[in-house]
Amino acid sequence: EAGVVQSPRYKIIEKKQPVAFWCNPISGHNTLYWYRQNLGQGPELLIRYENEEAVDDSQLPKDRFSAERLKGVDSTLKIQPAELGDSAVYLCASSLGRTSGSSQETQYFGPGTRLLVL
Amino acid sequence: GNSVTQMEGPVTLSEEAFLTINCTYTATGYPSLFWYVQYPGEGLQLLLKATKADDKGSNKGFEATYRKETTSFHLEKGSVQVSDSAVYFCALSNAGGTSYGKLTFGQGTILTVHP
Repeated sequence: EAGVVQSPRYKIIEKKQPVAFWCNPISGHNTLYWYRQNLGQGPELLIRYENEEAVDDSQLPKDRFSAERLKGVDSTLKIQPAELGDSAVYLCASSLGRTSGSSQETQYFGPGTRLLVL
Repeated sequence: GNSVTQMEGPVTLSEEAFLTINCTYTATGYPSLFWYVQYPGEGLQLLLKATKADDKGSNKGFEATYRKETTSFHLEKGSVQVSDSAVYFCALSNAGGTSYGKLTFGQGTILTVHP
């Protein structure tokens, strides 16, 4: 079974440019998460989707970040315009979702996209 | 709010040494606790988990016991191998409301094992 797929793996851009990250979750997983991991720190949740609905986006900087999950499968995270402080690894994760009946599900992570803003 | 504190690294050990990585947490209610591992160039992988007090999670020779009285979830392994070199993250998740599924991570501990 394929894991969570992310692309690109690496991205270097100049500040003020836009950038987008793509995630394909594990087949059948209804819940999708985007995390940001700064150097030397643990990941922090940006947004969580249940199917196509964003149910927790309280940590997403909405002035420059946006995300979508059309048809409840793939998701795209966008930054426009990027700032120097956005340099980080952006992780996508997925899980079965509340319908699985488990109150604490395992989240499966992709390899991440490493973003460097110059 | 929820928080997780891990012992500061990096940790450097010789092969077959005993490993302990300390983890303590602050949370409301009854969180589930996790250890994730990140090998060089790879994504985070779940290593083990425990969902209630006194549960012991174990996998690949690693163990951790959910201690509610000390709010701790220390990771241990009796004999480490070079292949265990990685970054280890302690994390918690609460089941309720909008926080459902949200993992709160510690800062990570880098482990290096020498032959």
